[in-house]
Amino acid sequence: GENVEQHPSTLSVQEGDSAVIKCTYSDSASNYFPWYKQELGKGPQLIIDIRSNVGEKKDQRIAVTLNKTAKHFSLHITETQPEDSAVYFCAASIKNYGQNFVFGPGTRLSVLP
Amino acid sequence: GAGVSQTPSNKVTEKGKYVELRCDPISGHTALYWYRQSLGQGPEFLIYFQGTGAADDSGLPNDRFFAVRPEGSVSTLKIQRTERGDSAVYLCASSLNGNSNEQFFGPGTRLTVL
Repeated sequence: GENVEQHPSTLSVQEGDSAVIKCTYSDSASNYFPWYKQELGKGPQLIIDIRSNVGEKKDQRIAVTLNKTAKHFSLHITETQPEDSAVYFCAASIKNYGQNFVFGPGTRLSVLP
Repeated sequence: GAGVSQTPSNKVTEKGKYVELRCDPISGHTALYWYRQSLGQGPEFLIYFQGTGAADDSGLPNDRFFAVRPEGSVSTLKIQRTERGDSAVYLCASSLNGNSNEQFFGPGTRLTVL
């Protein structure tokens, strides 16, 4: 089955700097890759996603890139702010009907003021 | 509008007991998912409902776990003969339908088995 790895497990950056989180997946049939942000005591919240027919997607300070050949995708956050501090999860999905997400283990991002 | 809600927020039980965890999805969402999240890990898929039927239960770890969604809205995850290893946060998510990519997650139920 699908296996998703995520690095780094923890990341600390200064406010205003950029943060990059990388994920790899194993199943070349995966076609949808969401990123979720989870704050303490809350459920994960979708922040951006990308489909396998797109190489890059951007939404304000957040961008995701996908390399299908290498089977990896990355989250880029620019001009980080303290409220970006949270745990970020990448996921991959191969189902076209019903989305059985396989999540990575998460990255704890700390933005230092 | 109201998001996905889960009750209780916390549940403490003793080993061997039976527990029920409830999920109220976003109104009108036909797809409902249960995940389990252990400490320091990402959510792990358990079961997916499309309407009233379990379309994919491949993630249920064993026959002590069972879930229902009798009217296609509220879902209940049932765990029999709980074990300490069942301790985790149980997350519920819903999406508009089975073809929708975005899943909206509830806050979870933290289950502790003593």
